[in-house]
Amino acid sequence: DTGVSQNPRHKITKRGQNVTFRCDPISEHNRLYWYRQTLGQGPEFLTYFQNEAQLEKSRLLSDRFSAERPKGSFSTLEIQRTEQGDSAMYLCASSLSTGTDQPQHFGDGTRLSIL
Amino acid sequence: SQQGEEDPQALSIQEGENATMNCSYKTSINNLQWYRQNSGRGLVHLILIRSNEREKHSGRLRVTLDTSKKSSSLLITASRAADTASYFCATGSTGGGNKLTFGTGTQLKVEL
Repeated sequence: DTGVSQNPRHKITKRGQNVTFRCDPISEHNRLYWYRQTLGQGPEFLTYFQNEAQLEKSRLLSDRFSAERPKGSFSTLEIQRTEQGDSAMYLCASSLSTGTDQPQHFGDGTRLSIL
Repeated sequence: SQQGEEDPQALSIQEGENATMNCSYKTSINNLQWYRQNSGRGLVHLILIRSNEREKHSGRLRVTLDTSKKSSSLLITASRAADTASYFCATGSTGGGNKLTFGTGTQLKVEL
């Protein structure tokens, strides 16, 4: 059973550069979520997709952030013109959409460090 | 922003002892879930309790939910060194999508 896969695991970049992360969800899951987690805090919701449709975006998701899920399978999260405050762990999760009580399955995240 | 507060922030116990963590939240929920996170890893789903349930068990885990007080507790019985991790409660929203709002977490250390 393949879980949620995120790549890369670590990304170090200079301020002002663009970065892109990829998430491959569990294959039969039609919901995909992105969260951001800073040190010592719980994850914070960024956005989610049902199939290829992006249905909700948090106010945390500034104009520099964009997420896509073009074919309803894998998703990418891009950050343009990175800033120091973007340093965090970016977590992807997936779930089924039947009912309201489906657990979310998380990947191991991409840790972003901005120099 | 974080919805929940967890208590205690850190907990250190001996192997074999029980560990209790508490979580409070602010808004109406569909469900409350507990997750475990080992250092540098993603979150692992432990247990889900629906808003109309009061108590649920899974192996060495026992979760209670009091919607009138907007609080939940997680009890881990007969703890093991492998239980050392951060534990987060998360509430599933009553709106669409079941996005999760996480608490600040409890760091549990189980010593041999």
